[in-house]
Amino acid sequence: ETGVTQTPRHLVMGMTNKKSLKCEQHLGHNAMYWYKQSAKKPLELMFVYNFKEQTENNSVPSRFSPECPNSSHLFLHLHTLQPEDSALYLCASSQDGGQGGRPQHFGDGTRLSIL
Amino acid sequence: AQKVTQAQTEISVVEKEDVTLDCVYETRDTTYYLFWYKQPPSGELVFLIRRNSFDEQNEISGRYSWNFQKSTSSFNFTITASQVVDSAVYFCALSEPSQGAQKLVFGQGTRLTINP
Repeated sequence: ETGVTQTPRHLVMGMTNKKSLKCEQHLGHNAMYWYKQSAKKPLELMFVYNFKEQTENNSVPSRFSPECPNSSHLFLHLHTLQPEDSALYLCASSQDGGQGGRPQHFGDGTRLSIL
Repeated sequence: AQKVTQAQTEISVVEKEDVTLDCVYETRDTTYYLFWYKQPPSGELVFLIRRNSFDEQNEISGRYSWNFQKSTSSFNFTITASQVVDSAVYFCALSEPSQGAQKLVFGQGTRLTINP
């Protein structure tokens, strides 16, 4: 059983819909991440949260809106997405003390398809 | 800027063959960490190994071994006596120093197919 759980596993939505992706980690970690994985592209870091505070926004369009109510939960709110946003969205968590080096633990991802 | 290159997009071998996945990185930092992850068809990235920049000792874990060479900025991964269950996409990654949570820079990944 994975320590990082993502729901839903699959999501199909129209460009005008609003939906949210959810991530929950059961590992007691303080940092959480959103990544986008498209075909033929490396994994792209989207957002980083550390102790609920956003520390990184990697020039992500505003149609993606993250929310981190506590260190165990992370959401990605989606609104008026484009077909090129179809991808696998991966959530990860890690225990970081500011020195780096701790491995990130990933969820199974949400496969998003935009019609 | 930090960069990770996995030049092999796809590799296909027959079961029981040895296979090496290449990883070359670029960084200006003197302290950094390198990682390998495995992504099976289910989608989850599974952590395999971490190596810090001050430790160039090679590591072996069962059929897996890693060769870290700072002189050539490489961190290669070898699977000995490959098995069908090793089929997956493998990612090499480099940590980027950051205040608080670390950031990982991933290579493009190598899709490994082990044929029975």
